[in-house]
Amino acid sequence: QLQLQESGPGLVKPSQTLSLTCAVSGDSIDTGGYSWSWIRQPPGKGLEWIGYIYHSGVTYYNPSLRTRVTISADSSKTQFSLTLRSVTAADTAVYYCARAVRVYYDPRGQPICYMDVWGKGTTVTVS
Amino acid sequence: QSVLTQPPSTSGTPGQRVTISCSGSSSNIGSDYVFWYQHLPGTAPKLLIYNNDQRPSGVPDRFSGSKSGTSASLAISGLRSEDEADYYCASWDDSLTGFWVFGGGTKLTVL
Repeated sequence: QLQLQESGPGLVKPSQTLSLTCAVSGDSIDTGGYSWSWIRQPPGKGLEWIGYIYHSGVTYYNPSLRTRVTISADSSKTQFSLTLRSVTAADTAVYYCARAVRVYYDPRGQPICYMDVWGKGTTVTVS
Repeated sequence: QSVLTQPPSTSGTPGQRVTISCSGSSSNIGSDYVFWYQHLPGTAPKLLIYNNDQRPSGVPDRFSGSKSGTSASLAISGLRSEDEADYYCASWDDSLTGFWVFGGGTKLTVL
């Protein structure tokens, strides 16, 4: 059974870099047809998609965060990571990782993948 | 401010049927699938509906989804106490380079 577990520092100082890891058990992140995603939820607000890394290694990001975000995969294929640079208080949130299933390719050739299995999330405070 | 609009809260009594609406635009719901998630704080969000109206294995048929134009709905029939949770809709938005958008969430209270 697929399980995902987020980990990382719970407190990050403003202007520094936030780094989180998602450990995957029950699947490999190079399995065809899947992406591995990060989503966050600031306190009292809705969910925000950060981006995902496709099984091929290609990454896709939310345009609003693109300049500060990197998602990467570990060579072991059992974990993937999120790096968010130059953080501010607005980046305080519960961060979730999730597996995403490819539904189709858009006209640009980008795989459109919906999140089907999520981790429980980890709280990150910027202060 | 979420891209998709949901009512902040709704309620119902056990056995009742409730619906949760999700309103979007032509760049998201109007041109792509809708997905629904159930979330209890402190737990992993759970996929309830994919591709507008499909249920993953293990999701009871009390949960159903529909879409019309730029709006979608989640219906829960035979309401049970364990259905009390937050519910989120999601869709792919093809503006800019494309990105996932979510509703602000609807808190369902079972009275």
